[in-house]
Amino acid sequence: KNQVEQSPQSLIILEGKNCTLQCNYTVSPFSNLRWYKQDTGRGPVSLTIMTFSENTKSNGRYTATLDADTKQSSLHITASQLSDSASYICVVTPSGSARQLTFGSGTQLTVLP
Amino acid sequence: GAGVSQSPSNKVTEKGKDVELRCDPISGHTALYWYRQRLGQGLEFLIYFQGNSAPDKSGLPSDRFSAERTGESVSTLTIQRTQQEDSAVYLCASSTTGTRNTGELFFGEGSRLTVL
Repeated sequence: KNQVEQSPQSLIILEGKNCTLQCNYTVSPFSNLRWYKQDTGRGPVSLTIMTFSENTKSNGRYTATLDADTKQSSLHITASQLSDSASYICVVTPSGSARQLTFGSGTQLTVLP
Repeated sequence: GAGVSQSPSNKVTEKGKDVELRCDPISGHTALYWYRQRLGQGLEFLIYFQGNSAPDKSGLPSDRFSAERTGESVSTLTIQRTQQEDSAVYLCASSTTGTRNTGELFFGEGSRLTVL
């Protein structure tokens, strides 16, 4: 069964600090890997999308990396802000299956003042 | 509308009742997905519509769940004889293409269902 595992499950940091969230997956082969941000009570919003041939993708203070050999991805948040408090979800699309994205359970990030 | 619209935003119902959830995708988006998200958990795939192709219903948890889509527009998710374990947020998403490509997936705000 294809799996996407995220760590840590939750994380608390102080405003202004950096942090890195991890995503390990067994989906293979895969078409693309996405990171989403989900604020409490809202729908997920896309942060980055990387194909299997890409190593890094940035979106402002968010930088995602991908190592297809080790099947690992990370999301680095720089100079955190209170508004970064949310759940961050890693999503992998298997090749040949446009239909069934595989979602991780998310990392709940809390940024404190 | 500018985004994916879902209604109702909140629904409280009694066990055994039927509920219908609605999703209006972004105009022109051929792909539409329904997901279920239980409290504190990840998204579970329910069903996928792509243009006029037969829908992928492989994620529907039981025959109490069904979904329809009219052409490339509105979709409704129906849950019959609701059970307490159906309590969750039901999220709808749409995309210009299937997600095998890097078509971005746009989510609605979800419909929160509480079964008493």
